[in-house]
Amino acid sequence: EIVLTQSPATLSLSPGERATLSCRASQSVTRYLAWYQQTPGQAPRLLIYDAYVRATGIPARFSGSGSGTDFTLTISSLEPEDFATYYCQQRSNWPRTFGQGTKVEVK
Amino acid sequence: DVQLLESGGGLAQPGGSLTLSCAASGFSFDTSAMHWVRQAPGKGLEWVSAISGGGDRANYADSVKGRFTISRDNFKSTLYLQLNSLRAEDTAVYYCAKAMVIDAFDVWGQGTMVTVSS
Repeated sequence: EIVLTQSPATLSLSPGERATLSCRASQSVTRYLAWYQQTPGQAPRLLIYDAYVRATGIPARFSGSGSGTDFTLTISSLEPEDFATYYCQQRSNWPRTFGQGTKVEVK
Repeated sequence: DVQLLESGGGLAQPGGSLTLSCAASGFSFDTSAMHWVRQAPGKGLEWVSAISGGGDRANYADSVKGRFTISRDNFKSTLYLQLNSLRAEDTAVYYCAKAMVIDAFDVWGQGTMVTVSS
């Protein structure tokens, strides 16, 4: 099973600041990594797939990068609605796996 | 509108069974792989199971293998998850999710809560 490790666990930032979230895989997933956003009480929302492709309707302030084992989700300038928990997920191998999440909170 | 609507959650005793359903609408259900993902209270997301569009291939997380069974009825556009031999650690919100061709989950249901307790 591929283990995805996200860091940091919590990121405390102010609106307008840049957020950089990391996801590291225990073995290469090539570019088969997705990012999701989840707010309390809501289902997750797909942000990025295949490492850097924005899903339909996702604002340009969200960007993804990386390949192999190291990936980054960047939010260029935090909007109030961006304070949420973010998960990475790999589709390279079965079973599919998620990271443990990074919570972006208001500083 | 593309929509997934789960049902069937509730309270079950340890060792008991439940069947979850996920009714799909607004997209070509029979060509879409479908997944179940769960989230224990206050915890992160855990992938549970997947089934191919035709229903001929299924995969499971080790934590549920041999106890849970995924299936689908393409005529009814409905996905199912049969939960047997339930344990306290199966307590979670269960989401069904539609997979894009590249197996990222682009549509999610609102979730159904399963509580396993005596």
